[in-house]
Parts: sequence; C-alpha cells; structure tokens
Amino acid sequence: GQNIDQPTEMTATEGAIVQINCTYQTSGFNGLFWYQQHAGEAPTFLSYNVLDGLEEKGRFSSFLSRSKGYSYLLLKELQMKDSASYLCAVREISYDKVIFGPGTSLSVIP
Amino acid sequence: DADVTQTPRNRITKTGKRIMLECSQTKGHDRMYWYRQDPGLGLRLIYYSFDVKDINKGEISDGYSVSRQAQAKFSLSLESAIPNQTALYFCATSDSGTGDYEQYFGPGTRLTVT
Repeated sequence: GQNIDQPTEMTATEGAIVQINCTYQTSGFNGLFWYQQHAGEAPTFLSYNVLDGLEEKGRFSSFLSRSKGYSYLLLKELQMKDSASYLCAVREISYDKVIFGPGTSLSVIP
Repeated sequence: DADVTQTPRNRITKTGKRIMLECSQTKGHDRMYWYRQDPGLGLRLIYYSFDVKDINKGEISDGYSVSRQAQAKFSLSLESAIPNQTALYFCATSDSGTGDYEQYFGPGTRLTVT
C-alpha cells in the first residue's frame, strides 16, 4: 500500500524561504518527485530524488531521507509567481507506478 | 505545438452516457498514464500503460476502461458516466529510456457529469 502526507496549505512572504514537507509509507520505494501546479494548469516537473541527500536546482532544492520516509522541497527567495500547489509523488518498485500525494497549496504574500 | 494533447478540453455529459477522453503525444515516449484530480485529493492514478500491449490498473480503475491504440495514443472511457466522476482528468507520458521517469502532462480535460 501507499500513504503520502503533505500539509494542505502554507503561506509565506515574498523574498522568504519556505519548506514543504512530505512523508510517505510504501511497500517498495523507487524514487520521489516534486511537481508544481498553478491553478487550472497541468503539473510541471521540479525534481526527482532517488538517493538520500539534498539536490539543488536554482531557487528550489529537494531533500530525501529514505530511512525516515521523508522529503522536503525548499523554495528560496520566494516570488509571487511561486504561489501554486506543490505535489509530492512516490515511484513504487511494484509495477513501477507513480502515486501522488494530496498536494500543498502555497500562497506567497507581499 | 504541444507535446501532449487532450481532447476534448471541456465536456458536459449526462448520467449514464458513455464518454471517451483522448490523449495523443508526439514525444515518442513509451509510457502513458491517466489521472483524475479532485479538490483536496491530489492526482489519483486511474490506468497506466508501459507499451501498446501493456495495460495496468491504478488506484481507482472501477468505472473506467482504457485503450492504447498506438504508442502515441491512449484513450480513457467512462462506460456509464456518474456524477462523482466529475473531475479534472490529466494524461501524462514518460520515457523509460531516460532513467529519470519525469512525467509530462497534457493540459487536462474538465469533465462534468450531470
């Protein structure tokens, strides 16, 4: 089975740093994705972690701890355009399917 | 031109009707997926296909069927639509050859069942 948890909503100030957490339980872990989705639009890929540690890509970084079933997405120097939903998704070994969490709606305020 | 297209983009149908949502891709990817999105529930996997001869059920396949007519085409059917199938439906593709399995999403189909 699969269970993925994320906070439902977060609010942060323009220019600040925000960390969005994701915890998961899976019978066979094979990687974790983060996607960004603006309202009414399709999700777009941000990052993919397979091994433990931090992966940095510009203003966005993603961290994974497989032993703790935990990941976070770190957004630095927040901009108004970062207001969106952020989706954590786990790739399972079994049948190699990808299961999404409920998403975190981030609001960036001036 | 978009790499992953979905038709129709919006559809209103009545309870009991059969409806088909279509997805086409020009990315040459082997893997295709259908998801539905409901407020507060995120994306839920309906069906996925790793090649033309491979079809797999996802989390919520009841009431749905799929057809992989060609590598580039993957259609989703609702045999007898019901109101709780009202949702935003996304098709996605990925390439097993790249090693990263990033999914590329179509623009979505908003389906309303009355």
